[in-house]
Amino acid sequence: GQNIDQPTEMTATEGAIVQINCTYQTSGFNGLFWYQQHAGEAPTFLSYNVLDGLEEKGRFSSFLSRSKGYSYLLLKELQMKDSASYLCAVRVRSGYSTLTFGKGTMLLVSP
Amino acid sequence: EAGVAQSPRYKIIEKRQSVAFWCNPISGHATLYWYQQILGQGPKLLIQFQNNGVVDDSQLPKDRFSAERLKGVDSTLKIQPAKLEDSAVYLCASSRNGELNSPLHFGNGTRLTVT
Repeated sequence: GQNIDQPTEMTATEGAIVQINCTYQTSGFNGLFWYQQHAGEAPTFLSYNVLDGLEEKGRFSSFLSRSKGYSYLLLKELQMKDSASYLCAVRVRSGYSTLTFGKGTMLLVSP
Repeated sequence: EAGVAQSPRYKIIEKRQSVAFWCNPISGHATLYWYQQILGQGPKLLIQFQNNGVVDDSQLPKDRFSAERLKGVDSTLKIQPAKLEDSAVYLCASSRNGELNSPLHFGNGTRLTVT
């Protein structure tokens, strides 16, 4: 099976930088996704990493270290609208590919 | 492109009743997923279809839950009979295929309350 760990909650101030960590233990690793989910809404895709290193996309960046089973999502220049749950999800392959989600990190951005 | 469509948006039923949810994926997406998301938790995969075949239903409570994807397009998820612990948001998602960097696109979900 898979085990995915994320902090439950984080708080940060508008304009600041925040890093949300995700650790995973799995076999057949085949990529890691980050999703954003506002309250009462569907998750929306943010980023994808399959190789080690940093992927940058505007204010959001995602990092992966496969040897350490570790990823983080970095959010810069925080805005109030970034208050949401951030879900780390691991894709594994065992004949087919399936996506397993962590419990999510609730980020609260304050003025 | 049109997103994943789900209905109904909300449903309230009493325990032991039956309920069905409908999902229409993005056109051309071969892989369809049903996830259950309990309040404060991440989505949990219930069942995954590749075209009209099931590739993973290991976490589907098969004594009460069933799902089908006729003709490899629309899908329905049914619960019969419902229990209180089934109260959750049921999310349907689709992806172009089940491979590599093909991201999942989620519908807005059906919020089920079992009383």
